[in-house]
Amino acid sequence: NAGVTQTPKFRVLKTGQSMTLLCAQDMNHEYMYWYRQDPGMGLRLIHYSVGEGTTAKGEVPDGYNVSRLKKQNFLLGLESAAPSQTSVYFCATGIVNSPLHFGNGTRLTVT
Amino acid sequence: ELKVEQNPLFLSMQEGKNYTIYCNYSTTSDRLYWYRQDPGKSLESLFVLLSNGAVKQEGRLMASLDTKARLSTLHITAAVHDLSATYFCAVDGGLIFGTGTRLQVFP
Repeated sequence: NAGVTQTPKFRVLKTGQSMTLLCAQDMNHEYMYWYRQDPGMGLRLIHYSVGEGTTAKGEVPDGYNVSRLKKQNFLLGLESAAPSQTSVYFCATGIVNSPLHFGNGTRLTVT
Repeated sequence: ELKVEQNPLFLSMQEGKNYTIYCNYSTTSDRLYWYRQDPGKSLESLFVLLSNGAVKQEGRLMASLDTKARLSTLHITAAVHDLSATYFCAVDGGLIFGTGTRLQVFP
């Protein structure tokens, strides 16, 4: 029972490169979220999903795309990475009126 | 614009002392969550507050919710070093997080 698994754990990209972060959950949760965490700014919601096949924008969606083709997976894509996207990315899952379960994070550096 | 503000942002306190962290929010949400994050780690849930007047306690931490004032508090009693971490509140099921309060407890 892995809970919420994020891959990769670390990644270094050059400006303009693309990549996809994967969040996989085995908790059968409907809701999935992608956040970024920057020093002094807490967690900011990028995109979220309330079920398979649905996605919605959060507070800071620009420069990111997401897909939820299967209930257990939520993908976050960067089409053309920029240094401003250097951050720690967290995935989380949840159900109504219950706390979120977080993955261990992906540390992304864009040079 | 929906905002969640925590204060203080940084708190350095001596072991054995008491203190309160405040979380003010601008939405009409009646659900509020508290999380803890250790340096370099992920977030773990501390409390879920689902109604006005809700109070939850775990060890030296106690959280409360006043939805009319749009205020939640996290009270620390007789702090110990193990409580050193960053504490976040969040509303609307996790859509908006506060900026966090970094707590350091020293001897």
